[in-house]
Amino acid sequence: GENVEQHPSTLSVQEGDSAVIKCTYSDSASNYFPWYKQELGKGPQLIIDIRSNVGEKKDQRIAVTLNKTAKHFSLHITETQPEDSAVYFCAASSGNTPLVFGKGTRLSVIA
Amino acid sequence: DTEVTQTPKHLVMGMTNKKSLKCEQHMGHRAMYWYKQKAKKPPELMFVYSYEKLSINESVPSRFSPECPNSSLLNLHLHALQPEDSALYLCASSQERGGNTYNSPLHFGNGTRLTVT
Repeated sequence: GENVEQHPSTLSVQEGDSAVIKCTYSDSASNYFPWYKQELGKGPQLIIDIRSNVGEKKDQRIAVTLNKTAKHFSLHITETQPEDSAVYFCAASSGNTPLVFGKGTRLSVIA
Repeated sequence: DTEVTQTPKHLVMGMTNKKSLKCEQHMGHRAMYWYKQKAKKPPELMFVYSYEKLSINESVPSRFSPECPNSSLLNLHLHALQPEDSALYLCASSQERGGNTYNSPLHFGNGTRLTVT
């Protein structure tokens, strides 16, 4: 089955700096890669996703890149703000099996 | 605010109690999920309903019993739980895309924080 590795487990950045979180997956059939943000006391919320027919996707300060050959995808957050502090999860699915989540990255943005 | 509503937000129950968690969505999604999340861990899939039929049971103990009364509602009935079952229980829903259930965004509720004493 699919296995998703996520790094780093914790990340601290200064406000205004960029943050990068990386994930690797094992199943070459995976074709859907969402990223979720979970704030304290809330459920995970989708922030961006990418499909295997696209190499990069951007939404304002957030971007995701996908390298299918290397089986890895990354989340990039630019101009970080204190409200970006949260736990971020990557995930992967082939479409026929449920999402497999990475272990999460706790991002702290220091003002 | 999330479009998936879960009640109650918090629940404390003894090991001999019977209680139910409830989840509701009105987005027309035909797949609904129960996840369990322990502190500092990712969500762990328990059950999936697709078109109101149970399609996945991830070897969950029988003290957890899911029910999908209609396409908008999902319940999780709890009986004779153990302290180690204390966790955040998350409900989610998704829309089918191109005949596949799992390549669409999951919409999570904010969960029920369950404590078993």
